[in-house]
Amino acid sequence: KAGVTQTPRYLIKTRGQQVTLSCSPISGHRSVSWYQQTPGQGLQFLFEYFSETQRNKGNFPGRFSGRQFSNSRSEMNVSTLELGDSALYLCASSLALGLVNHEQYFGPGTRLTVT
Amino acid sequence: DAKTTQPNSMESNEEEPVHLPCNHSTISGTDYIHWYRQLPSQGPEYVIHGLTSNVNNRMASLAIAEDRKSSTLILHRATLRDAAVYYCILRDIRTNFGNEKLTFGTGTRLTIIP
Repeated sequence: KAGVTQTPRYLIKTRGQQVTLSCSPISGHRSVSWYQQTPGQGLQFLFEYFSETQRNKGNFPGRFSGRQFSNSRSEMNVSTLELGDSALYLCASSLALGLVNHEQYFGPGTRLTVT
Repeated sequence: DAKTTQPNSMESNEEEPVHLPCNHSTISGTDYIHWYRQLPSQGPEYVIHGLTSNVNNRMASLAIAEDRKSSTLILHRATLRDAAVYYCILRDIRTNFGNEKLTFGTGTRLTIIP
């Protein structure tokens, strides 16, 4: 079974631009969560999508948005990039069958550098 | 979310057991204890979880104190591949649809000495 895939793996953008990152969950997984990882703040939850609906949101500005498609694939978008948005963006998927899911599966991440 | 406290770093010799502690003094009766680890240049991966009883799987063992205010992740025979940051996370058993959020702390950076 293929794992969680994220594209692109590396990205360099300029301040003020926008960026879209993509995540393909494990087949059959219905929940996709996004995390930002920086050396200063560690791993922080961005948002979670289930059945194309955002179900949970972390404490990030509105410049960070996302969506989920009917095939459970998800994208996140960051508009008006700032230098502080440079980070590793991780996507995680899980079955989300209505019971507590003990295992979430993370992708390798997209390394975004804003210059 | 209930808070966990872990040492910032630990070292262990290769092929020896490693005991990674986690304090969670404010744990509630409905919190599961989860462990994830993040190998260099990879996303986090699930290691093990437990509620009250000690647990074993192919990767590790989880020892939970009787009062549940602390737990210990045990790697029985550390290898160089076990060098990673280990995160202890609490998740409410009442989690249902649309609440897959994991709250990561700073974790413990485990170094394995050859």
